[in-house]
Amino acid sequence: AQSVSQHNHHVILSEAASLELGCNYSYGGTVNLFWYVQYPGQHLQLLLKYFSGDPLVKGIKGFEAEFIKSKFSFNLRKPSVQWSDTAEYFCAVNAGTGGFKTIFGAGTRLFVKA
Amino acid sequence: DTAVSQTPKYLVTQMGNDKSIKCEQNLGHDTMYWYKQDSKKFLKIMFSYNNKELIINETVPNRFSPKSPDKAHLNLHINSLELGDSAVYFCASSQRGENSPLHFGNGTRLTVT
Repeated sequence: AQSVSQHNHHVILSEAASLELGCNYSYGGTVNLFWYVQYPGQHLQLLLKYFSGDPLVKGIKGFEAEFIKSKFSFNLRKPSVQWSDTAEYFCAVNAGTGGFKTIFGAGTRLFVKA
Repeated sequence: DTAVSQTPKYLVTQMGNDKSIKCEQNLGHDTMYWYKQDSKKFLKIMFSYNNKELIINETVPNRFSPKSPDKAHLNLHINSLELGDSAVYFCASSQRGENSPLHFGNGTRLTVT
């Protein structure tokens, strides 16, 4: 069965700092990977996704993620965070179930100090 | 235009009661889901439906009964509510396919007292 682990549960950064959030998945076959963001009190929204092609994918709001197959990783990055990036970030995988089951990591809470 | 809408937004009720949450999507998606988010923000899939048919039931107690009258609607009925049912319940939809992202509703915060 697939699983997703996110290494950082809480991250605190100052504005303009660089961000990298770790995500590892376990599944031996072809995977579809996603990062979602949940702003305080809101629903989850898609930041970016990877399913094939260039392993470096760009998403909304300046976020990007790199798929490294050999490391089963899909880390999220942003060169310079803003106060408005304060949110919960979820890595997710959808694989091997015909598209009917997306599994989420435990989430990383990011707090950006102004 | 709200893409995935669920009602109510808040639900406070006592143990033993029965309650329902409704969900509708206007995105034309074939697949709909219910997820439960606990107090630690962990998201767990409960059910997925495709064209009104149950595809995934993730070992959810049978007190939870989803119903999909058509592919744009997926409701969740919960019988005999327990304290542990307190959580935020998110409805979501997607096109069919493993590379299709989920579109979430705004969530229903259920509090059982």
